[in-house]
Amino acid sequence: GENVEQHPSTLSVQEGDSAVIKCTYSDSASNYFPWYKQELGKRPQLIIDIRSNVGEKKDQRIAVTLNKTAKHFSLHITETQPEDSAVYFCAASRVDSSYKLIFGSGTRLLVRP
Amino acid sequence: EPEVTQTPSHQVTQMGQEVILRCVPISNHLYFYWYRQILGQKVEFLVSFYNNEISEKSEIFDDQFSVERPDGSNFTLKIRSTKLEDSAMYFCASSEVRGRGRYNEQFFGPGTRLTVL
Repeated sequence: GENVEQHPSTLSVQEGDSAVIKCTYSDSASNYFPWYKQELGKRPQLIIDIRSNVGEKKDQRIAVTLNKTAKHFSLHITETQPEDSAVYFCAASRVDSSYKLIFGSGTRLLVRP
Repeated sequence: EPEVTQTPSHQVTQMGQEVILRCVPISNHLYFYWYRQILGQKVEFLVSFYNNEISEKSEIFDDQFSVERPDGSNFTLKIRSTKLEDSAMYFCASSEVRGRGRYNEQFFGPGTRLTVL
């Protein structure tokens, strides 16, 4: 069935360093890949997304890359700050279906001051 | 900025009781979803709803679950006879219809924490 694998499950970095989170999806028909940030007790919030016709997208300190052949996509956060500490979820979706999101298992990012 | 709202924020119920979780999607959105998140685990898709009918449901969404859009603003999830394993955070989400083949950002509500005793 449809599945999204996410690694690592936890990531601790020093403030100012970069963080990379990787996901792999199983459904080759997936064509939309959002990343959500969830702070403790809060709702998931979209931070960046990418469609399958694009290989890379950047928004200030956040970037996402997509390798359709390998069915991999990654989130890159540069110059990390303590407020980046949260759980990050990747997801995959097919826009020709019900648009449901299949989520990865999450990465708990801790940015040490 | 418009937001998805959910009530109640926390619901405590006895096993076997019925619960109704309520959501008010963003007003111009036409796709609605329910997801759940068991404590410490991933967010799981339950059901999607469009044009007053279910468009897709997961294996989790069995006969004990139902959804309804009783009026022009509310979207509800009913669990008929709750089980201990239904304890989770339930998130409602909504998205615009951008046309076939267009991606859609899903906006999540703050969640309802359901505790089944």
